[in-house]
Amino acid sequence: EVQLLESGGGLVQPGGSLRLSCAASGFTFSDYAMSWVRQAPGKGLEWVSAISGSGGSTYYADSVKGRFTISRDNSKNTLYLQMNSLRAEDTAVYYCAKDGLSRYCTNGVCYKDYWGQGTLVTVSS
Amino acid sequence: VIWMTQSPSLLSASTGDRVTISCRMSQGISNYLAWYQQKPGKAPELLIYAASTLQSGVPSRFSGSGSGTDFTLTISCLQSEDFATYYCQQYYSLPQTFGQGTKVEIK
Repeated sequence: EVQLLESGGGLVQPGGSLRLSCAASGFTFSDYAMSWVRQAPGKGLEWVSAISGSGGSTYYADSVKGRFTISRDNSKNTLYLQMNSLRAEDTAVYYCAKDGLSRYCTNGVCYKDYWGQGTLVTVSS
Repeated sequence: VIWMTQSPSLLSASTGDRVTISCRMSQGISNYLAWYQQKPGKAPELLIYAASTLQSGVPSRFSGSGSGTDFTLTISCLQSEDFATYYCQQYYSLPQTFGQGTKVEIK
């Protein structure tokens, strides 16, 4: 059974930093790209960042480029999101998500077949 | 950036109804489209990928169709557990984008 468990969310002041983690189990972690998707309170879904299975390729939404860094440790089956220079508009539930089968995907982009339960990040003074 | 227009934003329906949700792209994406269901306080769940392929474990009353720029999610016979918000997602190019969502509520 695939399981994704996020941690690391919380309350942080504007300009501060936070590191999210996502512990994965139930599948061969290094075989799959992974993503972070966020959802502001009462709003829709917004893709944030993605990383290839090897970790050699990373992708970011313009809204977080230069402030957020995605990484993974395949020996620990864990995905990370380092968030710096946080702003009020970064307030959201952050989900980690497993990308689907590569043969159905393209250009480093994929659908998400499993999602974690989410972790809330609140940026406020 | 590929812009997506999902409609309607709110759909009122009764148990047993057939409902359809539309997702239109600003440019062609072949069949690189997925549909998700999200219930309040929960993570999204994948229903359909590749525009029309049902994810394992998803009831057959859900179906997807379309290619290029116009896509549809159909629920053939609405059940009580189907009242939720539905999102489409294009994964043809970066940034991958989601539709604005369609809330299906009880009439």
